[in-house]
Amino acid sequence: AQKITQTQPGMFVQEKEAVTLDCTYDTSDPSYGLFWYKQPSSGEMIFLIYQGSYDQQNATEGRYSLNFQKARKSANLVISASQLGDSAMYFCAMREVLTGTYKYIFGTGTRLKVLA
Amino acid sequence: DAGVIQSPRHEVTEMGQEVTLRCKPISGHDYLFWYRQTMMRGLELLIYFNNNVPIDDSGMPEDRFSAKMPNASFSTLKIQPSEPRDSAVYFCASSEGRPEQPQHFGDGTRLSIL
Repeated sequence: AQKITQTQPGMFVQEKEAVTLDCTYDTSDPSYGLFWYKQPSSGEMIFLIYQGSYDQQNATEGRYSLNFQKARKSANLVISASQLGDSAMYFCAMREVLTGTYKYIFGTGTRLKVLA
Repeated sequence: DAGVIQSPRHEVTEMGQEVTLRCKPISGHDYLFWYRQTMMRGLELLIYFNNNVPIDDSGMPEDRFSAKMPNASFSTLKIQPSEPRDSAVYFCASSEGRPEQPQHFGDGTRLSIL
Protein backbone atom coordinates (compact mmCIF):
# COMPACT_ATOMS: atom_id res chain seq x y z
CA ALA A 1 0.00 0.00 0.00
CA GLN A 2 1.26 3.43 -0.90
CA LYS A 3 2.22 5.23 2.25
CA ILE A 4 2.55 8.75 0.85
CA THR A 5 0.00 9.99 -1.66
CA GLN A 6 0.27 13.19 -3.64
CA THR A 7 -2.81 13.36 -5.81
CA GLN A 8 -1.91 16.45 -7.81
CA PRO A 9 0.58 15.61 -10.55
CA GLY A 10 0.65 19.24 -11.68
CA MET A 11 -0.61 22.60 -10.53
CA PHE A 12 -0.61 26.21 -11.70
CA VAL A 13 -0.70 29.29 -9.50
CA GLN A 14 -0.58 32.96 -10.26
CA GLU A 15 2.41 34.87 -8.97
CA LYS A 16 1.83 36.40 -5.50
CA GLU A 17 -1.05 34.05 -4.74
CA ALA A 18 -1.02 31.24 -2.18
CA VAL A 19 -1.08 27.60 -3.20
CA THR A 20 -1.67 24.36 -1.30
CA LEU A 21 0.01 21.11 -2.30
CA ASP A 22 -1.71 18.04 -0.95
CA CYS A 23 -0.12 15.12 0.84
CA THR A 24 -1.77 12.25 2.66
CA TYR A 25 0.04 9.47 4.44
CA ASP A 26 -0.61 6.12 5.96
CA THR A 27 1.19 4.70 8.96
CA SER A 28 0.49 2.72 12.09
CA ASP A 29 3.59 4.10 13.75
CA PRO A 30 2.57 6.66 16.41
CA SER A 31 5.89 8.45 16.00
CA TYR A 32 6.84 9.79 12.60
CA GLY A 33 8.12 12.83 10.81
CA LEU A 34 6.82 14.51 7.70
CA PHE A 35 9.03 16.44 5.31
CA TRP A 36 8.65 18.49 2.18
CA TYR A 37 11.34 18.83 -0.45
CA LYS A 38 11.61 21.05 -3.50
CA GLN A 39 13.31 19.94 -6.70
CA PRO A 40 13.82 22.75 -9.20
CA SER A 41 14.60 22.05 -12.82
CA SER A 42 18.31 22.13 -11.98
CA GLY A 43 17.73 18.83 -10.19
CA GLU A 44 18.88 19.28 -6.62
CA MET A 45 16.65 18.24 -3.74
CA ILE A 46 16.09 21.02 -1.23
CA PHE A 47 14.61 20.43 2.20
CA LEU A 48 11.82 22.89 2.98
CA ILE A 49 9.97 22.05 6.17
CA TYR A 50 9.45 19.39 8.83
CA GLN A 51 6.48 18.38 10.99
CA GLY A 52 6.67 15.86 13.81
CA SER A 53 3.74 13.64 14.64
CA TYR A 54 3.64 14.94 18.21
CA ASP A 55 3.98 18.59 17.30
CA GLN A 56 0.97 20.55 18.46
CA GLN A 57 1.46 23.46 16.13
CA ASN A 58 1.78 23.56 12.38
CA ALA A 59 5.31 24.08 11.19
CA THR A 60 6.26 27.28 9.41
CA GLU A 61 9.42 28.32 7.58
CA GLY A 62 9.22 31.70 5.95
CA ARG A 63 6.66 31.50 3.15
CA TYR A 64 6.18 27.77 3.71
CA SER A 65 3.75 26.35 6.20
CA LEU A 66 2.54 22.84 6.78
CA ASN A 67 -1.16 22.28 7.36
CA PHE A 68 -0.99 19.19 9.56
CA GLN A 69 -4.25 17.37 10.21
CA LYS A 70 -3.31 14.27 12.12
CA ALA A 71 -6.75 12.68 12.27
CA ARG A 72 -7.06 13.00 8.51
CA LYS A 73 -3.45 11.92 8.03
CA SER A 74 -2.73 14.87 5.83
CA ALA A 75 0.27 17.18 5.70
CA ASN A 76 -0.38 19.78 3.06
CA LEU A 77 2.26 22.32 2.10
CA VAL A 78 1.10 25.91 1.80
CA ILE A 79 3.24 28.36 -0.10
CA SER A 80 2.21 31.95 0.43
CA ALA A 81 2.89 34.80 -2.00
CA SER A 82 4.14 32.52 -4.77
CA GLN A 83 7.20 33.58 -6.70
CA LEU A 84 8.40 32.53 -10.14
CA GLY A 85 11.28 30.75 -8.43
CA ASP A 86 8.82 28.46 -6.68
CA SER A 87 8.21 26.64 -9.96
CA ALA A 88 9.53 23.17 -9.24
CA MET A 89 8.64 19.63 -8.31
CA TYR A 90 7.58 19.20 -4.69
CA PHE A 91 7.87 15.95 -2.77
CA CYS A 92 6.25 14.94 0.49
CA ALA A 93 8.10 12.35 2.57
CA MET A 94 7.59 10.47 5.81
CA ARG A 95 10.01 8.88 8.23
CA GLU A 96 8.65 6.30 10.61
CA VAL A 97 10.42 6.04 13.93
CA LEU A 98 9.17 3.19 16.09
CA THR A 99 9.12 0.67 13.28
CA GLY A 100 12.85 1.08 13.46
CA THR A 101 13.51 1.41 9.80
CA TYR A 102 14.28 5.12 9.80
CA LYS A 103 14.01 5.26 6.06
CA TYR A 104 12.20 8.03 4.24
CA ILE A 105 9.19 7.23 2.11
CA PHE A 106 8.52 9.66 -0.72
CA GLY A 107 5.41 10.53 -2.65
CA THR A 108 5.34 10.82 -6.42
CA GLY A 109 5.55 14.59 -6.35
CA THR A 110 3.57 17.59 -7.57
CA ARG A 111 4.91 19.82 -10.31
CA LEU A 112 4.09 23.44 -9.56
CA LYS A 113 4.21 26.14 -12.20
CA VAL A 114 3.98 29.76 -11.09
CA LEU A 115 2.56 32.07 -13.74
CA ALA A 116 3.64 35.69 -14.15
CA ASP B 1 29.74 23.01 6.10
CA ALA B 2 30.25 20.74 3.13
CA GLY B 3 27.16 18.99 1.95
CA VAL B 4 26.84 15.52 0.49
CA ILE B 5 29.36 15.17 -2.31
CA GLN B 6 28.73 12.91 -5.25
CA SER B 7 30.96 12.08 -8.15
CA PRO B 8 30.93 12.09 -11.05
CA ARG B 9 28.19 14.62 -11.83
CA HIS B 10 27.68 13.11 -15.25
CA GLU B 11 28.63 9.74 -16.66
CA VAL B 12 28.12 8.49 -20.18
CA THR B 13 29.22 4.98 -20.94
CA GLU B 14 28.45 2.09 -23.19
CA MET B 15 26.28 -0.84 -22.34
CA GLY B 16 28.17 -3.61 -20.62
CA GLN B 17 30.68 -1.35 -18.91
CA GLU B 18 31.11 -1.16 -15.17
CA VAL B 19 29.90 2.06 -13.57
CA THR B 20 30.93 3.27 -10.13
CA LEU B 21 29.19 6.14 -8.43
CA ARG B 22 30.72 7.70 -5.35
CA CYS B 23 29.36 9.50 -2.35
CA LYS B 24 30.80 11.33 0.62
CA PRO B 25 28.14 11.93 3.28
CA ILE B 26 28.03 14.82 5.69
CA SER B 27 30.37 14.23 8.59
CA GLY B 28 28.54 12.91 11.63
CA HIS B 29 25.57 11.55 9.74
CA ASP B 30 24.66 8.00 10.70
CA TYR B 31 22.51 7.15 7.72
CA LEU B 32 23.32 7.04 4.04
CA PHE B 33 20.79 6.46 1.28
CA TRP B 34 21.08 5.73 -2.43
CA TYR B 35 18.16 6.69 -4.69
CA ARG B 36 17.45 6.46 -8.37
CA GLN B 37 15.18 8.95 -10.13
CA THR B 38 13.57 8.49 -13.53
CA MET B 39 10.57 10.07 -15.19
CA MET B 40 8.79 6.74 -15.36
CA ARG B 41 9.44 5.44 -11.86
CA GLY B 42 10.00 8.61 -9.87
CA LEU B 43 12.32 8.55 -6.87
CA GLU B 44 13.21 5.01 -5.77
CA LEU B 45 15.16 4.04 -2.67
CA LEU B 46 17.79 1.51 -3.67
CA ILE B 47 19.61 0.84 -0.41
CA TYR B 48 20.44 2.50 2.85
CA PHE B 49 23.10 2.13 5.49
CA ASN B 50 23.23 2.83 9.19
CA ASN B 51 26.69 3.20 10.70
CA ASN B 52 28.18 1.72 7.53
CA VAL B 53 25.99 -1.40 7.72
CA PRO B 54 23.45 -2.06 4.95
CA ILE B 55 20.00 -2.10 6.49
CA ASP B 56 17.66 -2.52 3.57
CA ASP B 57 18.68 -3.35 0.02
CA SER B 58 15.26 -4.47 -1.15
CA GLY B 59 15.16 -1.64 -3.66
CA MET B 60 18.26 -2.78 -5.52
CA PRO B 61 16.92 -3.77 -8.93
CA GLU B 62 19.02 -6.87 -9.50
CA ASP B 63 22.36 -8.48 -8.90
CA ARG B 64 24.04 -6.14 -11.31
CA PHE B 65 23.77 -3.47 -8.63
CA SER B 66 25.92 -3.46 -5.53
CA ALA B 67 26.68 -0.89 -2.87
CA LYS B 68 29.32 -0.63 -0.21
CA MET B 69 30.18 1.66 2.64
CA PRO B 70 33.69 0.79 3.77
CA ASN B 71 33.81 3.68 6.23
CA ALA B 72 31.72 6.53 7.56
CA SER B 73 32.89 8.98 4.94
CA PHE B 74 32.56 7.03 1.72
CA SER B 75 30.10 4.89 -0.19
CA THR B 76 29.96 3.47 -3.69
CA LEU B 77 27.19 2.21 -5.91
CA LYS B 78 28.33 -0.11 -8.70
CA ILE B 79 26.51 -1.34 -11.73
CA GLN B 80 28.12 -4.23 -13.58
CA PRO B 81 27.32 -4.80 -16.37
CA SER B 82 25.42 -1.62 -17.13
CA GLU B 83 22.35 -1.56 -19.38
CA PRO B 84 20.52 1.31 -21.12
CA ARG B 85 17.60 0.97 -18.71
CA ASP B 86 19.94 1.93 -15.88
CA SER B 87 20.05 5.47 -17.27
CA ALA B 88 18.79 7.76 -14.53
CA VAL B 89 19.83 10.32 -11.97
CA TYR B 90 21.32 8.66 -8.92
CA PHE B 91 21.19 10.54 -5.65
CA CYS B 92 23.05 9.93 -2.47
CA ALA B 93 21.63 11.40 0.74
CA SER B 94 22.66 11.33 4.36
CA SER B 95 20.97 12.10 7.64
CA GLU B 96 21.41 12.01 11.36
CA GLY B 97 19.71 9.32 13.36
CA ARG B 98 17.31 11.68 15.09
CA PRO B 99 13.91 11.29 13.44
CA GLU B 100 13.23 15.00 13.06
CA GLN B 101 16.33 15.50 10.98
CA PRO B 102 15.87 15.73 7.21
CA GLN B 103 17.95 13.99 4.64
CA HIS B 104 20.51 16.08 2.85
CA PHE B 105 20.91 15.20 -0.79
CA GLY B 106 23.91 15.38 -3.04
CA ASP B 107 23.58 17.00 -6.43
CA GLY B 108 23.15 13.62 -8.09
CA THR B 109 24.94 11.73 -10.83
CA ARG B 110 23.27 11.81 -14.22
CA LEU B 111 24.03 8.44 -15.76
CA SER B 112 23.51 7.65 -19.43
CA ILE B 113 24.12 4.17 -20.74
CA LEU B 114 24.33 4.01 -24.51
